[in-house]
Amino acid sequence: GAVVSQHPSRVICKSGTSVKIECRSLDFQATTMFWYRQFPKQSLMLMATSNEGSKATYEQGVEKDKFLINHASLTLSTLTVTSAHPEDSSFYICSAMGGQGGTDTQYFGPGTRLTVL
Amino acid sequence: GENVEQHPSTLSVQEGDSAVIKCTYSDSASNYFPWYKQELGKGPQLIIDIRSNVGEKKDQRIAVTLNKTAKHFSLHITETQPEDSAVYFCAASIGGTASKLTFGTGTRLQVTL
Repeated sequence: GAVVSQHPSRVICKSGTSVKIECRSLDFQATTMFWYRQFPKQSLMLMATSNEGSKATYEQGVEKDKFLINHASLTLSTLTVTSAHPEDSSFYICSAMGGQGGTDTQYFGPGTRLTVL
Repeated sequence: GENVEQHPSTLSVQEGDSAVIKCTYSDSASNYFPWYKQELGKGPQLIIDIRSNVGEKKDQRIAVTLNKTAKHFSLHITETQPEDSAVYFCAASIGGTASKLTFGTGTRLQVTL
């Protein structure tokens, strides 16, 4: 298995509100998931590593209190963007590690387009 | 930390021709090198990967070569088709559970009729 889903695919919210994005591995278990953001015509930027049953590890410069990550089960990780502002508008993509390719292969979800007005 | 450079940034080929994208990496400990294809508005899709114990891997029209001594690896697409048009990313990691990927800057491939 190697299918990863994200929900929602697109969200528009007002400045100051919080948005939750779900990432699910549909046909395999993933102890580790990753969250990335991607700006137009740029590469993927790793935000944090999500580990099932423990706290997420954030990359330098990523505010852990603003981007809350919860990896409650082996098939689900959530990213909550708190008090969103227009500069948080971006394409958020998760990946899940494991599946048919091996324990270190990352399979990506389809992404979530966040627009903050 | 690891640094991955990717060239070219854009590549235009005619349908049926071959396309080659090259990447270099800096960390000699890296031993896992995947390639992803990303279509507009979608998440990256794994198309092929290679590990440091092999020098070449092929899957139908796609092949990847790895030169560990020179720290570079390349993606080769033969008999290109319009549906190959996308952005391609190379990446590198040290492998193993929870290992992070370092991505290249991407190559926008355009296959023209």
